[in-house]
Amino acid sequence: TQLLEQSPQFLSIQEGENLTVYCNSSSVFSSLQWYRQEPGEGPVLLVTVVTGGEVKKLKRLTFQFGDARKDSSLHITAAQTGDTGLYLCAGGVGGFKTIFGAGTRLFVKA
Amino acid sequence: NAGVTQTPKFQVLKTGQSMTLQCAQDMNHEYMSWYRQDPGMGLRLIHYSVGAGITDQGEVPNGYNVSRSTTEDFPLRLLSAAPSQTSVYFCASKKQYEQYFGPGTRLTVT
Repeated sequence: TQLLEQSPQFLSIQEGENLTVYCNSSSVFSSLQWYRQEPGEGPVLLVTVVTGGEVKKLKRLTFQFGDARKDSSLHITAAQTGDTGLYLCAGGVGGFKTIFGAGTRLFVKA
Repeated sequence: NAGVTQTPKFQVLKTGQSMTLQCAQDMNHEYMSWYRQDPGMGLRLIHYSVGAGITDQGEVPNGYNVSRSTTEDFPLRLLSAAPSQTSVYFCASKKQYEQYFGPGTRLTVT
Protein backbone atom coordinates (compact mmCIF):
# COMPACT_ATOMS: atom_id res chain seq x y z
CA THR A 1 0.00 0.00 0.00
CA GLN A 2 1.39 3.36 -0.97
CA LEU A 3 1.22 6.01 1.70
CA LEU A 4 1.87 9.72 1.79
CA GLU A 5 2.64 11.02 5.25
CA GLN A 6 2.22 14.71 5.96
CA SER A 7 3.73 16.59 8.87
CA PRO A 8 2.86 18.39 10.95
CA GLN A 9 -0.81 17.46 11.18
CA PHE A 10 -1.68 20.79 12.76
CA LEU A 11 0.14 24.11 12.83
CA SER A 12 -0.85 27.32 14.57
CA ILE A 13 1.39 30.35 13.96
CA GLN A 14 1.38 34.14 14.15
CA GLU A 15 0.96 36.26 11.06
CA GLY A 16 4.37 37.06 9.55
CA GLU A 17 6.03 33.80 10.57
CA ASN A 18 7.48 31.30 8.12
CA LEU A 19 6.52 27.64 8.01
CA THR A 20 7.25 24.42 6.16
CA VAL A 21 4.95 21.46 5.60
CA TYR A 22 6.37 18.10 4.60
CA CYS A 23 5.02 15.24 2.53
CA ASN A 24 6.94 11.95 2.61
CA SER A 25 6.63 8.47 1.14
CA SER A 26 8.67 5.36 0.53
CA SER A 27 7.17 5.19 -2.96
CA VAL A 28 8.12 7.02 -6.11
CA PHE A 29 5.43 9.19 -7.67
CA SER A 30 5.08 10.29 -11.27
CA SER A 31 3.88 13.69 -10.11
CA LEU A 32 2.96 15.45 -6.92
CA GLN A 33 0.28 18.03 -6.33
CA TRP A 34 -0.45 20.40 -3.48
CA TYR A 35 -4.04 21.44 -2.77
CA ARG A 36 -5.62 23.85 -0.34
CA GLN A 37 -9.07 23.22 1.08
CA GLU A 38 -11.32 25.63 2.95
CA PRO A 39 -14.20 24.51 5.20
CA GLY A 40 -17.25 23.34 3.25
CA GLU A 41 -15.45 23.37 -0.09
CA GLY A 42 -13.53 20.97 -2.29
CA PRO A 43 -9.72 21.02 -2.55
CA VAL A 44 -8.28 23.57 -4.96
CA LEU A 45 -5.07 22.81 -6.83
CA LEU A 46 -2.10 25.03 -5.95
CA VAL A 47 0.71 23.43 -7.94
CA THR A 48 1.92 20.31 -9.72
CA VAL A 49 5.56 19.18 -9.73
CA VAL A 50 6.74 16.36 -11.96
CA THR A 51 10.54 16.44 -12.14
CA GLY A 52 12.85 15.33 -9.33
CA GLY A 53 14.39 18.40 -7.66
CA GLU A 54 11.84 20.74 -9.22
CA VAL A 55 11.08 23.98 -7.36
CA LYS A 56 8.02 26.11 -8.07
CA LYS A 57 7.02 29.42 -6.54
CA LEU A 58 3.54 30.83 -6.20
CA LYS A 59 3.87 34.29 -4.61
CA ARG A 60 4.90 33.55 -0.99
CA LEU A 61 4.58 29.77 -1.41
CA THR A 62 7.55 27.65 -2.50
CA PHE A 63 7.07 24.01 -3.47
CA GLN A 64 9.87 21.48 -3.89
CA PHE A 65 9.82 17.92 -5.22
CA GLY A 66 12.53 15.65 -3.82
CA ASP A 67 15.30 14.43 -6.11
CA ALA A 68 14.03 10.84 -5.86
CA ARG A 69 10.40 11.93 -6.35
CA LYS A 70 9.40 10.39 -2.99
CA ASP A 71 8.89 13.56 -0.98
CA SER A 72 7.90 17.19 -1.23
CA SER A 73 7.75 20.32 0.86
CA LEU A 74 5.66 23.46 0.94
CA HIS A 75 7.25 26.57 2.45
CA ILE A 76 5.21 29.68 3.21
CA THR A 77 7.05 32.95 3.79
CA ALA A 78 5.49 35.63 6.00
CA ALA A 79 2.21 33.79 6.53
CA GLN A 80 -1.02 35.76 6.34
CA THR A 81 -4.42 35.04 7.90
CA GLY A 82 -5.68 34.24 4.38
CA ASP A 83 -3.31 31.26 4.28
CA THR A 84 -5.41 29.49 6.90
CA GLY A 85 -6.74 26.20 5.60
CA LEU A 86 -6.12 22.50 5.09
CA TYR A 87 -3.12 21.73 2.87
CA LEU A 88 -3.11 18.37 1.11
CA CYS A 89 -0.36 16.72 -0.87
CA ALA A 90 -1.24 14.10 -3.48
CA GLY A 91 0.92 11.73 -5.48
CA GLY A 92 0.21 10.43 -8.95
CA VAL A 93 0.27 6.64 -9.29
CA GLY A 94 0.20 4.64 -12.51
CA GLY A 95 -1.16 7.46 -14.62
CA PHE A 96 -4.71 7.37 -13.27
CA LYS A 97 -4.87 7.05 -9.51
CA THR A 98 -3.92 9.67 -6.96
CA ILE A 99 -2.94 9.03 -3.35
CA PHE A 100 -3.64 11.80 -0.84
CA GLY A 101 -1.91 12.61 2.41
CA ALA A 102 -4.05 13.18 5.52
CA GLY A 103 -3.42 16.92 5.36
CA THR A 104 -1.89 19.71 7.44
CA ARG A 105 -4.32 22.06 9.07
CA LEU A 106 -2.80 25.55 9.23
CA PHE A 107 -4.16 28.35 11.39
CA VAL A 108 -2.58 31.78 11.05
CA LYS A 109 -3.39 34.16 13.87
CA ALA A 110 -3.58 37.94 13.37
CA ASN B 1 -17.90 26.94 -17.23
CA ALA B 2 -19.46 25.52 -14.09
CA GLY B 3 -16.55 23.10 -13.58
CA VAL B 4 -17.56 20.12 -11.42
CA THR B 5 -21.01 20.20 -9.84
CA GLN B 6 -22.40 17.89 -7.18
CA THR B 7 -25.87 17.40 -5.78
CA PRO B 8 -27.16 17.29 -3.14
CA LYS B 9 -25.04 19.45 -0.83
CA PHE B 10 -26.36 17.70 2.30
CA GLN B 11 -28.19 14.41 2.82
CA VAL B 12 -29.39 12.40 5.81
CA LEU B 13 -30.23 8.73 5.30
CA LYS B 14 -31.45 5.96 7.53
CA THR B 15 -29.49 2.71 7.67
CA GLY B 16 -30.47 0.49 4.74
CA GLN B 17 -31.72 3.25 2.47
CA SER B 18 -30.22 3.73 -0.98
CA MET B 19 -29.44 6.91 -2.85
CA THR B 20 -27.46 8.36 -5.73
CA LEU B 21 -24.99 11.21 -5.45
CA GLN B 22 -24.86 13.17 -8.69
CA CYS B 23 -21.73 14.55 -10.31
CA ALA B 24 -21.31 16.40 -13.60
CA GLN B 25 -18.45 18.21 -15.30
CA ASP B 26 -18.40 20.48 -18.33
CA MET B 27 -14.66 20.44 -19.07
CA ASN B 28 -14.76 17.37 -21.35
CA HIS B 29 -12.34 15.49 -19.09
CA GLU B 30 -12.11 11.75 -19.67
CA TYR B 31 -11.01 10.90 -16.13
CA MET B 32 -13.42 11.24 -13.22
CA SER B 33 -13.31 9.92 -9.68
CA TRP B 34 -15.13 9.76 -6.36
CA TYR B 35 -13.45 10.26 -2.99
CA ARG B 36 -14.61 10.25 0.58
CA GLN B 37 -13.01 12.47 3.18
CA ASP B 38 -12.99 11.54 6.84
CA PRO B 39 -11.26 13.39 9.68
CA GLY B 40 -7.55 12.59 9.90
CA MET B 41 -7.64 10.29 6.87
CA GLY B 42 -7.38 12.61 3.91
CA LEU B 43 -9.18 11.72 0.70
CA ARG B 44 -9.68 8.06 -0.16
CA LEU B 45 -10.50 6.92 -3.67
CA ILE B 46 -13.81 5.01 -3.99
CA HIS B 47 -14.18 4.47 -7.74
CA TYR B 48 -12.80 6.06 -10.86
CA SER B 49 -13.47 6.15 -14.59
CA VAL B 50 -11.09 6.76 -17.47
CA GLY B 51 -13.87 7.34 -20.00
CA ALA B 52 -17.48 6.64 -20.86
CA GLY B 53 -18.31 2.99 -20.25
CA ILE B 54 -15.13 2.30 -18.25
CA THR B 55 -15.01 2.22 -14.45
CA ASP B 56 -12.73 0.65 -11.88
CA GLN B 57 -12.43 0.28 -8.13
CA GLY B 58 -10.32 2.47 -5.93
CA GLU B 59 -9.14 2.00 -2.38
CA VAL B 60 -12.53 1.76 -0.61
CA PRO B 61 -15.17 0.56 -3.11
CA ASN B 62 -17.33 -1.68 -0.91
CA GLY B 63 -20.94 -0.51 -0.61
CA TYR B 64 -20.74 1.80 -3.62
CA ASN B 65 -21.54 1.43 -7.32
CA VAL B 66 -20.76 3.72 -10.23
CA SER B 67 -21.53 3.95 -13.93
CA ARG B 68 -20.34 6.25 -16.69
CA SER B 69 -22.73 6.46 -19.60
CA THR B 70 -21.55 9.90 -20.76
CA THR B 71 -18.34 11.91 -20.50
CA GLU B 72 -20.13 14.52 -18.42
CA ASP B 73 -21.84 12.47 -15.70
CA PHE B 74 -20.48 10.09 -13.05
CA PRO B 75 -23.09 9.20 -10.39
CA LEU B 76 -22.22 7.33 -7.19
CA ARG B 77 -24.80 4.92 -5.78
CA LEU B 78 -25.03 3.81 -2.18
CA LEU B 79 -26.76 0.45 -2.29
CA SER B 80 -27.72 0.04 1.38
CA ALA B 81 -26.46 2.90 3.52
CA ALA B 82 -24.53 2.12 6.71
CA PRO B 83 -23.37 4.48 9.50
CA SER B 84 -19.76 3.82 8.39
CA GLN B 85 -20.61 5.65 5.17
CA THR B 86 -21.15 8.91 7.02
CA SER B 87 -18.61 11.15 5.36
CA VAL B 88 -18.05 14.02 2.94
CA TYR B 89 -18.00 12.85 -0.66
CA PHE B 90 -16.11 14.64 -3.42
CA CYS B 91 -16.28 14.10 -7.13
CA ALA B 92 -13.35 15.18 -9.28
CA SER B 93 -12.40 15.33 -12.93
CA LYS B 94 -8.84 15.27 -14.14
CA LYS B 95 -6.76 16.56 -16.98
CA GLN B 96 -3.24 15.14 -17.08
CA TYR B 97 -1.92 15.64 -13.53
CA GLU B 98 -4.47 18.10 -12.25
CA GLN B 99 -7.74 17.28 -10.55
CA TYR B 100 -10.69 19.64 -10.21
CA PHE B 101 -13.04 18.97 -7.34
CA GLY B 102 -16.71 19.60 -6.82
CA PRO B 103 -18.02 21.31 -3.66
CA GLY B 104 -18.82 18.01 -1.93
CA THR B 105 -21.83 16.21 -0.46
CA ARG B 106 -22.05 15.85 3.31
CA LEU B 107 -23.80 12.55 4.03
CA THR B 108 -25.02 11.41 7.43
CA VAL B 109 -26.33 7.88 7.92
CA THR B 110 -28.29 7.31 11.12
